[in-house]
Amino acid sequence: QSALTQPASVSGSPGQSITISCTGTSSDVGGYNYVSWYQQHPGKAPKLMIYEVSNRPSGVSNRFSGSKSGNTASLTISGLQAEDEADYYCSSYTSSSTRVFGTGTKVTVL
Amino acid sequence: QVQLVESGGGVVQPGRSLRLSCAASGFTFSSCGMHWVRQAPGKGLEWVAVISYDGSDRYYADSVKGRFTISRDNSKNTLYLRMNSLRAEDTAVYYCAKDLSPHHGMDVWGQGTTVTVSS
Repeated sequence: QSALTQPASVSGSPGQSITISCTGTSSDVGGYNYVSWYQQHPGKAPKLMIYEVSNRPSGVSNRFSGSKSGNTASLTISGLQAEDEADYYCSSYTSSSTRVFGTGTKVTVL
Repeated sequence: QVQLVESGGGVVQPGRSLRLSCAASGFTFSSCGMHWVRQAPGKGLEWVAVISYDGSDRYYADSVKGRFTISRDNSKNTLYLRMNSLRAEDTAVYYCAKDLSPHHGMDVWGQGTTVTVSS
């Protein structure tokens, strides 16, 4: 159950778009369309931003979008805003019916 | 409103046990799978365990298998995590989270309860 691989940090200026990658294996990310993404501000509980690769829960801005190709999933934030500065984690269902999180990415708005 | 409230955290010596609880309200608890997720100080999220809506299926992370037990009481709308043989590396904030049933994703999270394993 190795953690999914994410870049440690990504940054962008307000209004720009950024993309966070999440790389796993054929036993997790590549094998199922069950990738979700979470936003976590310091000292707060995580918040679901995307589920099942590309679906947004009610109330989540359409500036957040998800996709997947092979063993790598991606989260794109368009029109970057100061409030988007946070840690982001991907997660996937696995072939063992467990779940695994990514290593986490710190997003900085310059 | 939909809410999850964890309790039961504290300071415990290595090798001892602790039971966490998660009280659910505002949704049909008995219809949803539930998870425990933890976060060590300054570290990322680590998935711990999941239980199906009726308790018939349970799965664990390798790091806790054989030491932790997830359970639920649907009559009390409460999720539990029994933690035995605690180690220093189990020190973390423990969150309970609701499955976005029937979809995959954790759509509601509690505020977390802190477990510190130290002599």
